[in-house]
Amino acid sequence: AQKVTQAQTEISVVEKEDVTLDCVYETRDTTYYLFWYKQPPSGELVFLIRRNSFDEQNEISGRYSWNFQKSTSSFNFTITASQVVDSAVYFCALSEAYGNNRLAFGKGNQVVVIP
Amino acid sequence: GAGVSQSPRYKVAKRGQDVALRCDPISGHVSLFWYQQALGQGPEFLTYFQNEAQLDKSGLPSDRFFAERPEGSVSTLKIQRTQQEDSAVYLCASSFGGYQETQYFGPGTRLLVL
Repeated sequence: AQKVTQAQTEISVVEKEDVTLDCVYETRDTTYYLFWYKQPPSGELVFLIRRNSFDEQNEISGRYSWNFQKSTSSFNFTITASQVVDSAVYFCALSEAYGNNRLAFGKGNQVVVIP
Repeated sequence: GAGVSQSPRYKVAKRGQDVALRCDPISGHVSLFWYQQALGQGPEFLTYFQNEAQLDKSGLPSDRFFAERPEGSVSTLKIQRTQQEDSAVYLCASSFGGYQETQYFGPGTRLLVL
């Protein structure tokens, strides 16, 4: 069963628009971690955020913000005032307490920012 | 400091050849992971080391895949008798400790099996 679902495969936005990427996860563990990574065309996965299951506070880092809601098992990511450099594939990932530290990734969201 | 490095960055192999992919983790990182990423998909877990111990190899797709980390630093992923379905990007990641810490990824090795 898919542990992490990212439903939108490709999203196109015009520069300066906001874009929200949805991530829904599934786990039976009470202790787990959620991550977002960015994969630009160069291919390297770049770490963006790590959040544990006991910390539901939303977080903002520059133009990036994250909304974690345990009630709906979601960990959504918003890019505000998008820029061309934001064009990339974004992955949500789950690490479970009993999963031997492995990351379970979603299929990713391809974001295309049109100038 | 230096990040995770992988070599080669690109590898073309004929079906049936053996290949070896190398990963240099961030210095001092205890944990090392290998993932396989097919085109248009998210990375899939292959195997996990803590120091030199291979604690989880449940993601290796067949016994043609073998990984080692003999001195607890550099790791090698070996694929024997490559098949076309092995074509993918192989990503290596490392983390400082052993418990759900952030994994930092290398640039990957793109393997194409003809």
